[in-house]
Amino acid sequence: DVKVTQSSRYLVKRTGEKVFLECVQDMDHENMFWYRQDPGLGLRLIYFSYDVKMKEKGDIPEGYSVSREKKERFSLILESASTNQTSMYLCASSLTGGASGYTFGSGTRLTVV
Amino acid sequence: GQNIDQPTEMTATEGAIVQINCTYQTSGFNGLFWYQQHAGEAPTFLSYNVLDGLEEKGRFSSFLSRSKGYSYLLLKELQMKDSASYLCAVKGGATNKLIFGTGTLLAVQP
Repeated sequence: DVKVTQSSRYLVKRTGEKVFLECVQDMDHENMFWYRQDPGLGLRLIYFSYDVKMKEKGDIPEGYSVSREKKERFSLILESASTNQTSMYLCASSLTGGASGYTFGSGTRLTVV
Repeated sequence: GQNIDQPTEMTATEGAIVQINCTYQTSGFNGLFWYQQHAGEAPTFLSYNVLDGLEEKGRFSSFLSRSKGYSYLLLKELQMKDSASYLCAVKGGATNKLIFGTGTLLAVQP
């Protein structure tokens, strides 16, 4: 069964901490994505990557950075966590091509206190 | 720009049929997806339409009209476990990424 695995289901961090969210996929997908999901706002794209060491800003990149050193792993970094980054974070991956949908990880619910 | 609209909430009765509509505006179109998301869980793929018409998959069907920028998801013989959010997403635009609507929260009542 193909999988996208996010390292933590729940995280609580303090304001100002550096936070790492890890995502690993075993499907050899080229593309990987980080979204945050908030009530009433839906899924908003933070960053995406279409190849190793490549990254592109999504719609809301401020306060975040990413790293993709290996094809299977895409990390989201909160340089200095703030309370407005409390959210559900979802990682996804896909093949390139029109018919390719996204496979999502189970999500990380991050609370910044 | 790109815009996707779907109702925020819907309520239906167990055993009934419900239709969830989605309208979209996008520059370039490479398909429309429907996802189901139960509370606290990841979205899971339901359907994909790229050509006009109806795609049927068991109790779920999805329809697309590209000229109208319109899709719907039809759920038949509703079950309590169908209570979830249903996300409409369009692939297109300059970067060919999936753009998601805010989702429709469906409550199935006994």
